[in-house]
Amino acid sequence: LAKTTQPISMDSYEGQEVNITCSHNNIATNDYITWYQQFPSQGPRFIIQGYKTKVTNEVASLFIPADRKSSTLSLPRVSLSDTAVYYCLVGDLTSGNTPLVFGKGTRLSVIA
Amino acid sequence: DTAVSQTPKYLVTQMGNDKSIKCEQNLGHDTMYWYKQDSKKFLKIMFSYNNKELIINETVPNRFSPKSPDKAHLNLHINSLELGDSAVYFCASSQEYRTPSFFGPGTRLTVL
Repeated sequence: LAKTTQPISMDSYEGQEVNITCSHNNIATNDYITWYQQFPSQGPRFIIQGYKTKVTNEVASLFIPADRKSSTLSLPRVSLSDTAVYYCLVGDLTSGNTPLVFGKGTRLSVIA
Repeated sequence: DTAVSQTPKYLVTQMGNDKSIKCEQNLGHDTMYWYKQDSKKFLKIMFSYNNKELIINETVPNRFSPKSPDKAHLNLHINSLELGDSAVYFCASSQEYRTPSFFGPGTRLTVL
């Protein structure tokens, strides 16, 4: 399983764009990158998933460089309600039996 | 409508007791999971159940046993509860295996 490294915490002001980078130097050819968001006292929420280049949905964008050794979750114009822990997961979704493994995550605090 | 529901939300019990946590999903998903989140907030996969195939995390004690009466339910039974079992347990489901899409609200288990 590819190991992921994320900053432990980040602070941002409301209205700013927030970029959270995840390092996964030993990512394998069949590995996908998935991000989750978890609010206090709630279960994680799937945000976005990608394999290469750029993926965008109504919540966030995911940027993956050509070497795929890192990825960046981009949250446009954050609000106080975006304060949460964000998890980067890397895993092979095409074979094997192991579900994705959660790391320690990045605690994002949005300040007014 | 709640996508993934768990009962009870809180469970306080004595060491040595046997307890069950119920999980139901109304999304028609083929895969369900149980995760444990300890006091340090690490989320660890315990079980996944995909198309009637149970995938067990080998680090889970055999005191924990998942039971799936049908595709919409995956209950967690715990025998001989120990202090170290205190945690929040999350149920999740997905259509694609290995990427949980929706998590339940969690069950906070406290063993005294």
